Amino acid sequence: EDQVTQSPEALRLQEGESSSLNCSYTVSGLRGLFWYRQDPGKGPEFLFTLYSAGEEKEKERLKATLTKKESFLHITAPKPEDSATYLCAVQAGSGYSTLTFGKGTMLLVSP
Amino acid sequence: GAGVSQSPSNKVTEKGKDVELRCDPISGHTALYWYRQRLGQGLEFLIYFQGNSAPDKSGLPSDRFSAERTGESVSTLTIQRTQQEDSAVYLCASSPRSGGTHPPEAFFGQGTRLTVV
Repeated sequence: EDQVTQSPEALRLQEGESSSLNCSYTVSGLRGLFWYRQDPGKGPEFLFTLYSAGEEKEKERLKATLTKKESFLHITAPKPEDSATYLCAVQAGSGYSTLTFGKGTMLLVSP
Repeated sequence: GAGVSQSPSNKVTEKGKDVELRCDPISGHTALYWYRQRLGQGLEFLIYFQGNSAPDKSGLPSDRFSAERTGESVSTLTIQRTQQEDSAVYLCASSPRSGGTHPPEAFFGQGTRLTVV
């Protein structure tokens, strides 16, 4: 059974204080790892897809990296508008398959 | 439309009543997912449709839950004899057919908030 664990559950940062969120996974045959951002009362918003170990992707203050066991979402000099819940999901196996999500990390950035 | 559309956005129903939730995927997207998100919890997989293949119903929590999709268009999630524990946000997502070995990303709607009283 595919498992996705995110840590920490919640993270409070001061504006400008860089940090990282972790997503560790146990799957059989990873096909893709996805990061989403979810604001309160909204659906998840797609951020990144990573397909293989060593891959990195960046978007503004966010950078996602992938190893064979985990992914990190690095947040550089965060701003209050980066406050949200960040979700990690994996898609594994052959053919078409579902997304398995972690429980998310709730990030709060204070001014 | 430009994105995944779900209706209604909010639904309050009495315990024991049936409800239908609707999802309009992005045009041309072959895959459609339903997830449930209880307050403060992660996304719980319910059902997955991929083109004309048999749906993956492995996440449906009980036989009170069912979903249909006609071709690659609208999907409806039906919950019969609703219970208070069914209260949650029901999220729908769609994704395009993959052109290669890499799975495409899924795009989510805003969800339907269901409250059973």
